[in-house]
Amino acid sequence: KNQVEQSPQSLIILEGKNCTLQCNYTVSPFSNLRWYKQDTGRGPVSLTIMTFSENTKSNGRYTATLDADTKQSSLHITASQLSDSASYICVVSDRGSTLGRLYFGRGTQLTVWP
Amino acid sequence: EADIYQTPRYLVIGTGKKITLECSQTMGHDKMYWYQQDPGMELHLIHYSYGVNSTEKGDLSSESTVSRIRTEHFPLTLESARPSHTSQYLCASSEFIPDRKNYGYTFGSGTRLTVV
Repeated sequence: KNQVEQSPQSLIILEGKNCTLQCNYTVSPFSNLRWYKQDTGRGPVSLTIMTFSENTKSNGRYTATLDADTKQSSLHITASQLSDSASYICVVSDRGSTLGRLYFGRGTQLTVWP
Repeated sequence: EADIYQTPRYLVIGTGKKITLECSQTMGHDKMYWYQQDPGMELHLIHYSYGVNSTEKGDLSSESTVSRIRTEHFPLTLESARPSHTSQYLCASSEFIPDRKNYGYTFGSGTRLTVV
Protein backbone atom coordinates (compact mmCIF):
# COMPACT_ATOMS: atom_id res chain seq x y z
CA LYS A 1 0.00 0.00 0.00
CA ASN A 2 1.39 3.41 -0.97
CA GLN A 3 1.81 5.52 2.15
CA VAL A 4 3.56 8.60 3.43
CA GLU A 5 4.33 8.81 7.16
CA GLN A 6 5.58 11.95 8.86
CA SER A 7 7.13 12.54 12.26
CA PRO A 8 6.82 14.10 14.66
CA GLN A 9 3.11 14.84 14.52
CA SER A 10 3.73 18.17 16.24
CA LEU A 11 6.76 20.15 17.36
CA ILE A 12 7.31 23.28 19.43
CA ILE A 13 10.59 25.17 19.20
CA LEU A 14 11.88 28.57 20.26
CA GLU A 15 12.48 31.31 17.74
CA GLY A 16 15.97 31.16 16.28
CA LYS A 17 16.40 27.42 16.84
CA ASN A 18 16.79 24.80 14.12
CA CYS A 19 14.59 21.76 13.61
CA THR A 20 14.29 18.71 11.37
CA LEU A 21 11.10 17.07 10.20
CA GLN A 22 11.00 13.48 8.93
CA CYS A 23 9.13 11.72 6.14
CA ASN A 24 9.11 8.01 5.30
CA TYR A 25 7.29 6.68 2.27
CA THR A 26 6.41 3.40 0.62
CA VAL A 27 5.19 4.85 -2.69
CA SER A 28 6.32 2.86 -5.69
CA PRO A 29 7.21 3.53 -8.41
CA PHE A 30 8.70 6.82 -7.25
CA SER A 31 8.69 10.01 -9.29
CA ASN A 32 9.36 12.89 -6.93
CA LEU A 33 9.01 14.09 -3.36
CA ARG A 34 7.71 17.51 -2.42
CA TRP A 35 7.57 19.47 0.81
CA TYR A 36 4.73 21.94 1.26
CA LYS A 37 4.05 24.57 3.92
CA GLN A 38 0.41 25.04 4.88
CA ASP A 39 -0.59 27.95 7.06
CA THR A 40 -3.76 27.53 9.10
CA GLY A 41 -6.82 28.02 6.92
CA ARG A 42 -4.77 28.30 3.71
CA GLY A 43 -3.75 26.03 0.87
CA PRO A 44 -0.35 24.31 0.72
CA VAL A 45 2.54 26.24 -0.79
CA SER A 46 5.45 24.42 -2.42
CA LEU A 47 8.85 24.60 -0.70
CA THR A 48 10.94 22.02 -2.57
CA ILE A 49 10.63 19.22 -5.08
CA MET A 50 13.21 16.47 -5.54
CA THR A 51 13.46 13.70 -8.09
CA PHE A 52 15.13 10.32 -7.69
CA SER A 53 18.57 11.63 -8.64
CA GLU A 54 18.54 14.59 -6.26
CA ASN A 55 19.48 14.14 -2.61
CA THR A 56 19.31 17.71 -1.38
CA LYS A 57 17.44 20.86 -2.28
CA SER A 58 17.42 24.24 -0.54
CA ASN A 59 14.95 27.10 -0.53
CA GLY A 60 16.20 29.88 1.71
CA ARG A 61 16.22 28.60 5.30
CA TYR A 62 14.59 25.34 4.23
CA THR A 63 16.76 22.38 3.18
CA ALA A 64 15.25 19.08 2.12
CA THR A 65 17.14 15.81 1.78
CA LEU A 66 16.14 12.61 0.05
CA ASP A 67 17.47 9.07 0.42
CA ALA A 68 15.67 7.13 -2.30
CA ASP A 69 17.27 3.87 -1.18
CA THR A 70 15.81 3.99 2.32
CA LYS A 71 12.75 5.96 1.13
CA GLN A 72 13.30 8.70 3.66
CA SER A 73 13.30 12.48 3.44
CA SER A 74 13.88 15.26 5.91
CA LEU A 75 13.16 18.97 5.97
CA HIS A 76 15.59 21.08 7.98
CA ILE A 77 14.59 24.58 9.03
CA THR A 78 17.40 26.90 10.06
CA ALA A 79 17.09 29.88 12.40
CA SER A 80 13.35 29.51 12.82
CA GLN A 81 11.03 32.51 12.73
CA LEU A 82 7.55 33.03 14.13
CA SER A 83 6.22 32.94 10.56
CA ASP A 84 7.48 29.36 10.22
CA SER A 85 4.59 28.23 12.43
CA ALA A 86 2.55 26.06 10.07
CA SER A 87 1.91 22.48 9.01
CA TYR A 88 4.64 20.96 6.84
CA ILE A 89 3.39 18.32 4.47
CA CYS A 90 5.44 15.66 2.68
CA VAL A 91 3.97 14.64 -0.69
CA VAL A 92 5.21 11.82 -2.91
CA SER A 93 4.28 11.40 -6.56
CA ASP A 94 4.33 8.11 -8.40
CA ARG A 95 5.30 7.43 -11.98
CA GLY A 96 3.41 5.88 -14.79
CA SER A 97 0.16 7.79 -14.78
CA THR A 98 -0.86 10.87 -16.70
CA LEU A 99 -2.31 12.27 -13.53
CA GLY A 100 0.99 12.07 -11.62
CA ARG A 101 -0.78 10.76 -8.55
CA LEU A 102 0.09 12.55 -5.29
CA TYR A 103 0.27 10.79 -1.92
CA PHE A 104 0.03 13.15 1.05
CA GLY A 105 1.35 12.78 4.57
CA ARG A 106 -0.66 14.13 7.49
CA GLY A 107 1.86 16.84 8.14
CA THR A 108 3.97 18.00 11.06
CA GLN A 109 2.45 20.91 12.96
CA LEU A 110 5.31 23.26 13.83
CA THR A 111 4.87 26.00 16.41
CA VAL A 112 7.60 28.59 16.90
CA TRP A 113 7.49 30.46 20.20
CA PRO A 114 9.13 33.84 20.82
CA GLU B 1 -1.02 37.89 -11.45
CA ALA B 2 -1.54 34.19 -12.16
CA ASP B 3 -3.28 32.48 -9.28
CA ILE B 4 -6.09 30.19 -8.19
CA TYR B 5 -9.10 31.61 -6.37
CA GLN B 6 -11.69 29.93 -4.20
CA THR B 7 -14.92 31.41 -2.90
CA PRO B 8 -16.32 31.58 -0.38
CA ARG B 9 -13.49 31.25 2.16
CA TYR B 10 -15.94 30.24 4.89
CA LEU B 11 -19.49 28.92 4.60
CA VAL B 12 -21.94 27.89 7.31
CA ILE B 13 -25.10 26.36 5.93
CA GLY B 14 -28.07 24.34 7.08
CA THR B 15 -28.67 20.68 6.36
CA GLY B 16 -30.39 19.98 3.05
CA LYS B 17 -29.24 23.15 1.30
CA LYS B 18 -27.64 23.09 -2.14
CA ILE B 19 -24.23 24.73 -2.31
CA THR B 20 -21.61 25.44 -4.95
CA LEU B 21 -17.99 26.06 -4.12
CA GLU B 22 -16.25 28.17 -6.73
CA CYS B 23 -12.72 27.67 -8.05
CA SER B 24 -11.08 29.70 -10.79
CA GLN B 25 -7.52 29.86 -12.09
CA THR B 26 -5.90 32.39 -14.36
CA MET B 27 -2.90 30.29 -15.39
CA GLY B 28 -4.51 28.40 -18.27
CA HIS B 29 -3.82 25.02 -16.63
CA ASP B 30 -5.66 22.07 -18.15
CA LYS B 31 -5.56 19.86 -15.06
CA MET B 32 -7.60 20.83 -12.01
CA TYR B 33 -8.40 19.03 -8.76
CA TRP B 34 -10.60 19.11 -5.69
CA TYR B 35 -9.23 17.83 -2.39
CA GLN B 36 -10.95 17.37 0.95
CA GLN B 37 -8.98 17.89 4.16
CA ASP B 38 -10.04 17.35 7.75
CA PRO B 39 -8.00 18.84 10.65
CA GLY B 40 -4.73 16.98 11.22
CA MET B 41 -5.41 14.63 8.32
CA GLU B 42 -3.98 14.23 4.84
CA LEU B 43 -5.54 15.69 1.71
CA HIS B 44 -7.83 13.30 -0.16
CA LEU B 45 -8.55 13.67 -3.87
CA ILE B 46 -12.31 13.76 -4.55
CA HIS B 47 -12.49 15.01 -8.15
CA TYR B 48 -10.16 15.90 -11.01
CA SER B 49 -10.34 17.14 -14.57
CA TYR B 50 -7.92 16.86 -17.50
CA GLY B 51 -9.60 19.70 -19.38
CA VAL B 52 -12.88 21.10 -20.64
CA ASN B 53 -15.75 18.57 -20.46
CA SER B 54 -13.50 16.08 -18.65
CA THR B 55 -14.28 15.14 -15.02
CA GLU B 56 -13.36 12.08 -12.98
CA LYS B 57 -13.95 10.90 -9.43
CA GLY B 58 -10.94 10.73 -7.14
CA ASP B 59 -9.87 8.25 -4.49
CA LEU B 60 -12.24 9.39 -1.76
CA SER B 61 -15.91 8.78 -2.40
CA SER B 62 -17.81 12.04 -2.35
CA GLU B 63 -21.45 12.95 -2.84
CA SER B 64 -20.38 16.15 -4.53
CA THR B 65 -20.32 16.73 -8.28
CA VAL B 66 -18.12 18.92 -10.47
CA SER B 67 -18.26 20.47 -13.92
CA ARG B 68 -15.65 21.86 -16.31
CA ILE B 69 -17.30 23.99 -18.97
CA ARG B 70 -14.43 26.49 -19.16
CA THR B 71 -10.72 25.89 -18.68
CA GLU B 72 -10.45 28.41 -15.89
CA HIS B 73 -13.51 27.36 -13.88
CA PHE B 74 -14.02 24.14 -11.86
CA PRO B 75 -16.97 24.47 -9.46
CA LEU B 76 -17.98 21.80 -6.92
CA THR B 77 -21.64 21.28 -6.01
CA LEU B 78 -23.37 19.55 -3.13
CA GLU B 79 -27.06 19.02 -3.93
CA SER B 80 -28.07 18.44 -0.31
CA ALA B 81 -25.55 19.36 2.36
CA ARG B 82 -25.22 17.18 5.48
CA PRO B 83 -23.16 17.60 8.67
CA SER B 84 -20.83 14.83 7.41
CA HIS B 85 -19.82 17.19 4.58
CA THR B 86 -18.24 19.57 7.10
CA SER B 87 -14.61 19.87 6.02
CA GLN B 88 -12.08 22.03 4.22
CA TYR B 89 -12.21 21.83 0.43
CA LEU B 90 -9.06 22.74 -1.52
CA CYS B 91 -8.92 23.36 -5.25
CA ALA B 92 -5.67 22.97 -7.19
CA SER B 93 -4.37 23.10 -10.73
CA SER B 94 -1.20 21.77 -12.31
CA GLU B 95 1.03 22.18 -15.35
CA PHE B 96 3.88 20.09 -16.72
CA ILE B 97 7.25 21.76 -16.22
CA PRO B 98 9.55 20.39 -18.97
CA ASP B 99 12.88 21.22 -17.36
CA ARG B 100 11.73 19.55 -14.15
CA LYS B 101 10.01 16.67 -15.99
CA ASN B 102 7.29 16.96 -13.39
CA TYR B 103 4.00 18.64 -12.72
CA GLY B 104 3.93 21.82 -10.66
CA TYR B 105 0.85 22.23 -8.48
CA THR B 106 -0.81 25.43 -7.27
CA PHE B 107 -3.39 25.28 -4.47
CA GLY B 108 -6.16 27.69 -3.63
CA SER B 109 -6.71 28.96 -0.10
CA GLY B 110 -9.62 26.61 0.45
CA THR B 111 -13.26 26.82 1.52
CA ARG B 112 -14.04 25.90 5.12
CA LEU B 113 -17.55 24.39 4.99
CA THR B 114 -19.64 23.84 8.10
CA VAL B 115 -23.04 22.17 7.78
CA VAL B 116 -25.29 22.58 10.81
